[in-house]
Amino acid sequence: GQQVMQIPQYQHVQEGEDFTTYCNSSTTLSNIQWYKQRPGGHPVFLIQLVKSGEVKKQKRLTFQFGEAKKNSSLHITATQTTDVGTYFCAGQGGTDSWGKLQFGAGTQVVVTP
Amino acid sequence: DAGVTQSPTHLIKTRGQQVTLRCSPKSGHDTVSWYQQALGQGPQFIFQYYEEEERQRGNFPDRFSGHQFPNYSSELNVNALLLGDSALYLCASSDTGAATLSYNSPLHFGNGTRLTVT
Repeated sequence: GQQVMQIPQYQHVQEGEDFTTYCNSSTTLSNIQWYKQRPGGHPVFLIQLVKSGEVKKQKRLTFQFGEAKKNSSLHITATQTTDVGTYFCAGQGGTDSWGKLQFGAGTQVVVTP
Repeated sequence: DAGVTQSPTHLIKTRGQQVTLRCSPKSGHDTVSWYQQALGQGPQFIFQYYEEEERQRGNFPDRFSGHQFPNYSSELNVNALLLGDSALYLCASSDTGAATLSYNSPLHFGNGTRLTVT
């Protein structure tokens, strides 16, 4: 079945630095979504990517969907303490699995002031 | 405009017992999905309800069952609880009408129910 893997599992970042987290699927995806979960909170939707090679930006966050629609990345520039949390990618397979989002294990981000 | 609400927030049960968790979706949403999140892990898809029927199901045993009511609210039932069922159970609602063949309606999560099985 479809598997979604994320690396790294943990990311310690100095405030002001950049970092990237990666998401890889074992199968081709229809689309991919990214969520952020603050400590003690629930996942909050960030963005959805649908097209091959798509790039979307949200202020300091840049999301990319691979050409083969099997991988994605999230790049954060000039990290701030508000970026602390766990970032999950969630992949949507083909039409037979519509609605069944497969989450990765997440990248836990810790920011040092 | 209320978001997704779940009850109870915390629950302690004994192995072998049964539990029912409840979820009210965000206003305007007609679809409810349930996820299990173990500590330090990503949410695992249990099932999704739409039009009062189970539309999709993940790799969970039949001990996990659900229901959706005409007002779109939903329940998750777990029978014969095991220690390994201890987790955060998240309910997420979405608007199927906003989805297309390639675009998913984003999930709006509730705060979850923390289930501890002893």
